[in-house]
Amino acid sequence: SQQGEEDPQALSIQEGENATMNCSYKTSINNLQWYRQNSGRGLVHLILIRSNEREKHSGRLRVTLDTSKKSSSLLITASRAADTASYFCATDRGSTLGRLYFGRGTQLTVWP
Amino acid sequence: SQTIHQWPATLVQPVGSPLSLECTVEGTSNPNLYWYRQAAGRGLQLLFYSVGIGQISSEVPQNLSASRPQDRQFILSSKKLLLSDSGFYLCAWSVSLGPAYEQYFGPGTRLTVT
Repeated sequence: SQQGEEDPQALSIQEGENATMNCSYKTSINNLQWYRQNSGRGLVHLILIRSNEREKHSGRLRVTLDTSKKSSSLLITASRAADTASYFCATDRGSTLGRLYFGRGTQLTVWP
Repeated sequence: SQTIHQWPATLVQPVGSPLSLECTVEGTSNPNLYWYRQAAGRGLQLLFYSVGIGQISSEVPQNLSASRPQDRQFILSSKKLLLSDSGFYLCAWSVSLGPAYEQYFGPGTRLTVT
């Protein structure tokens, strides 16, 4: 079963705008990760945030985590057409065995 | 640097035929290995994972099986394919130490069962 639920399912914005995607989950976690998938390709790891962290930055990416609400958000600032992709959150459900459980993803389209 | 390979890239197979998808990892030792399936427009479903040679755990009961004959080789198989086995199959690896695991994905195999 899906662990996370991303919303919105689809997001369409213009270049230069910010894109915010959200993820909710149901169990305790050790960490939450965000991945990106270009159409028809494998996933690429973007950022990992541990359960004791509240915010993390990587370039134009900003991830927040609220464990009390069991939710996370991914913000992409100053978006570019090349950011067009599907974005997935994944959690470990509290396991330390390396398994990840993915949400259904948000399809982001950035128009030039 | 580490790389992960999957083949074939695409495959069209008739119902009832066997399946063998291969995944190999280079540049790392004793990785955790994973097989996922992604249905059209959906998220990833974890099928199998392996923490070592010959050690396979299944996440969901299904028509598929997995094997790890070598440290960096992971194979997904079926004796008789079903229509519902169609999808995009992704192999991934992660380091086997520590509580936080970033996973690195291969390019995937698009399987169509006709």
